[in-house]
Amino acid sequence: NAGVTQTPKFRILKIGQSMTLQCTQDMNHNYMYWYRQDPGMGLKLIYYSVGAGITDKGEVPNGYNVSRSTTEDFPLRLELAAPSQTSVYFCASSYFPTGDSPLHFGNGTRLTVT
Amino acid sequence: KNQVEQSPQSLIILEGKNCTLQCNYTVSPFSNLRWYKQDTGRGPVSLTIMTFSENTKSNGRYTATLDADTKQSSLHITASQLSDSASYICVVSPTGTASKLTFGTGTRLQVTL
Repeated sequence: NAGVTQTPKFRILKIGQSMTLQCTQDMNHNYMYWYRQDPGMGLKLIYYSVGAGITDKGEVPNGYNVSRSTTEDFPLRLELAAPSQTSVYFCASSYFPTGDSPLHFGNGTRLTVT
Repeated sequence: KNQVEQSPQSLIILEGKNCTLQCNYTVSPFSNLRWYKQDTGRGPVSLTIMTFSENTKSNGRYTATLDADTKQSSLHITASQLSDSASYICVVSPTGTASKLTFGTGTRLQVTL
């Protein structure tokens, strides 16, 4: 059972470049999320989706975009990468929208912008 | 502002010893509190969830406690193993919606021989 799969695992971008972080889940979860994890900080929500075709901003959405065309996939797009976007990015999914349902995380994408 | 504070920031213990990690929160209204374990280079994995009415819950060698009055939770690890080396993250849900979760910064535990 693969769970949540993220690609790539590592990436180095130059300032101003763009990229897409891929995320797919095979648990048929409607709810999916993108978080970033910075050293010494708690995870911060970037965007989330409650189902195919529906997305909404989280706490730190600036500089990012998402789409949700299928239940399985939830890619995160970075446009015009900046050093402040250097971070570890985690995709997660859950069965229910409430905190009663655990988040299932991927293993992250470590992004460096130089 | 909703906040979750964890202590200590890091901890080193000998294999076989017990330890307790602390989580204090100011999140309101409170729905539940969950502890996650995050191995190096991996995503967090849920260990246990505590709701308002629960005081103690165990998951193998992990025991979580909750005092909703003082807004404190602890995670006790018994007879530690090398595989317990990880970060432990406390996550509080204020309204029962995952989009409003507040994450602590974690406690980094290292278990040594």
